[in-house]
Amino acid sequence: AQSVTQPDARVTVSEGASLQLRCKYSYFGTPYLFWYVQYPRQGLQLLLKYYPGDPVVQGVNGFEAEFSKSNSSFHLRKASVHWSDWAVYFCAVSPGTGGYKVVFGSGTRLLVSP
Amino acid sequence: EAAVTQSPRSKVAVTGGKVTLSCHQTNNHDYMYWYRQDTGHGLRLIHYSYVADSTEKGDIPDGYKASRPSQENFSLILELASLSQTAVYFCASSDAIAGRDAEQFFGPGTRLTVL
Repeated sequence: AQSVTQPDARVTVSEGASLQLRCKYSYFGTPYLFWYVQYPRQGLQLLLKYYPGDPVVQGVNGFEAEFSKSNSSFHLRKASVHWSDWAVYFCAVSPGTGGYKVVFGSGTRLLVSP
Repeated sequence: EAAVTQSPRSKVAVTGGKVTLSCHQTNNHDYMYWYRQDTGHGLRLIHYSYVADSTEKGDIPDGYKASRPSQENFSLILELASLSQTAVYFCASSDAIAGRDAEQFFGPGTRLTVL
């Protein structure tokens, strides 16, 4: 069965510094991968998505992620963090068909320090 | 603007009482989902639906029922609420096109507290 591991429950980054949030997946085959962001008291919003193709995908607000089949990873990156990025970030994996088969990670809480 | 809305946004219920959480979407999506979120955990799928008048069990359906009376509306029902059902509940919708059905659009959530 597919699974997602986000090894860091909490990450603190200084405003303006670069960011990497880690995501490791387990899936036999080529997965579809997603990063969602949850701002306080809100639902999840799609940040970016990977459909089989170019391994580097761009998202909103300067976020990007890179798919690595050899490392079974889909890490999220941003060059310069803004205070408004303070949120919880979820990685998710899917076989590509069957929305009910999406599996979410436990989330990484990003704290931005001044 | 297309959206997923949920009501109520928060609710306090008594143990053994009945709770109904409602979800409405204007995305014109065929697929709808109910998830629960517990502190420190990801989302877990309770029920989902591919079409009106039909629902399917997700990964943790025990203690929950679902109802999909129309394409736009999807309800989650707790017939006998229990303390363990205290959580935040999210509704989501997605397109029916293969490959796009994994891209889900979420409502703002309902915070349920069972006392």
